[in-house]
Amino acid sequence: DGGITQSPKYLFRKEGQNVTLSCEQNLNHDAMYWYRQDPGQGLRLIYYSQIVNDFQKGDIAEGYSVSREKKESFPLTVTSAQKNPTAFYLCASSTFYGTGNSPLHFGNGTRLTVT
Amino acid sequence: GESVGLHLPTLSVQEGDNSIINCAYSNSASDYFIWYKQESGKGPQFIIDIRSNMDKRQGQRVTVLLNKTVKHLSLQIAATQPGDSAVYFCAENSGTSYGKLTFGQGTILTVHP
Repeated sequence: DGGITQSPKYLFRKEGQNVTLSCEQNLNHDAMYWYRQDPGQGLRLIYYSQIVNDFQKGDIAEGYSVSREKKESFPLTVTSAQKNPTAFYLCASSTFYGTGNSPLHFGNGTRLTVT
Repeated sequence: GESVGLHLPTLSVQEGDNSIINCAYSNSASDYFIWYKQESGKGPQFIIDIRSNMDKRQGQRVTVLLNKTVKHLSLQIAATQPGDSAVYFCAENSGTSYGKLTFGQGTILTVHP
């Protein structure tokens, strides 16, 4: 089955440590995204990538970094500079229709807890 | 800033009833809207989408209505089932940069057997 795989499902880190969240898709989608979800809130965009070796900041990129070396993979690093890293992180992908309108397909998320 | 919001944070219905979840948006440039369903501990699941050149679209047991005059979006679920219990989000894409969806806060739908 095609889909988006995020790993691990739960992640625990000590404050001051960088941590990398994995996202892999086998949908052959061009675009990939990272969203953050906090309790009782909607999703907020961290970074997105429309094509390999290219990515743009979203609305809350500070304290995060990404890479897009392969079409299938879009890892997110949460750095020690991120002030409130504890959250539910969601990766998504979409096809590129050229019109800007296509639904995002989401993975099942990684819950990161930093203490 | 402009945003997408929801009128009701929670909705409780009886199994078999029809459910209506509402969403108000403020960005007049929005031209694409999506409804997502999110179950606990999982990622959002695509339900249905609609473009701004339409005012109604139907899927399996779901209908999305778009009223551009009052900037209102609704999701209707027919014959609601306990498995429909989840958080429902509306999202908009103003079209300036695809994938940059703006999400509402979500409505919790609870279906009682």
